[in-house]
Amino acid sequence: DQQVKQNSPSLSVQEGRISILNCDYTNSMFDYFLWYKKYPAEGPTFLISISSIKDKNEDGRFTVFLNKSAKHLSLHIVPSQPGDSAVYFCAASATGTYKYIFGTGTRLKVLA
Amino acid sequence: ETGVTQSPTHLIKTRGQQVTLRCSSQSGHNTVSWYQQALGQGPQFIFQYYREEENGRGNFPPRFSGLQFPNYSSELNVNALELDDSALYLCASSPGGLGRRTSEQYFGPGTRLTVT
Repeated sequence: DQQVKQNSPSLSVQEGRISILNCDYTNSMFDYFLWYKKYPAEGPTFLISISSIKDKNEDGRFTVFLNKSAKHLSLHIVPSQPGDSAVYFCAASATGTYKYIFGTGTRLKVLA
Repeated sequence: ETGVTQSPTHLIKTRGQQVTLRCSSQSGHNTVSWYQQALGQGPQFIFQYYREEENGRGNFPPRFSGLQFPNYSSELNVNALELDDSALYLCASSPGGLGRRTSEQYFGPGTRLTVT
């Protein structure tokens, strides 16, 4: 049972445009969400997080939106840069637990 | 500040053998988690250690076991290897504590295990 889903395996965007990566979850107990970026031959790198008490968190070019009623979150990257080309994972956890549940990832390619 | 390191980088083993993977946590981090990432999948939680004690476990059989040492480095041991154990094994350290959740886990580059 895939509790965290990233339904788009890949996404291509022109440099300078907006990249929108989506993530859906099924477990209503999840209350903390993170996005990680992974380059080949490297471990995932933490990007941005959001608690369920918020619906938006922004850090520079990266903004995460959370829609609790739809059990959906999205990562917006504006403007997209070629260096953003990587695999992006969303992850979720619930209060009182110690583990993160990851989605299957979306490969973003930013075209110069 | 030294990041999370893992050894070896790559490993090839035969079905039925045993393997030990190693992880050195980031300085100051007392919690380490291990994940298995199969091809085309996201990382799957195996277990977490906090101050040398197992702090939680995912859906992995007992032949997956671990250790954390006083310096907070860690080992993942897998016995009776199966073909499906072929994956990238990631460790992640964090400054969290027992029952606490941290916003950031710092991942190592992983060990690529191939079982033939």
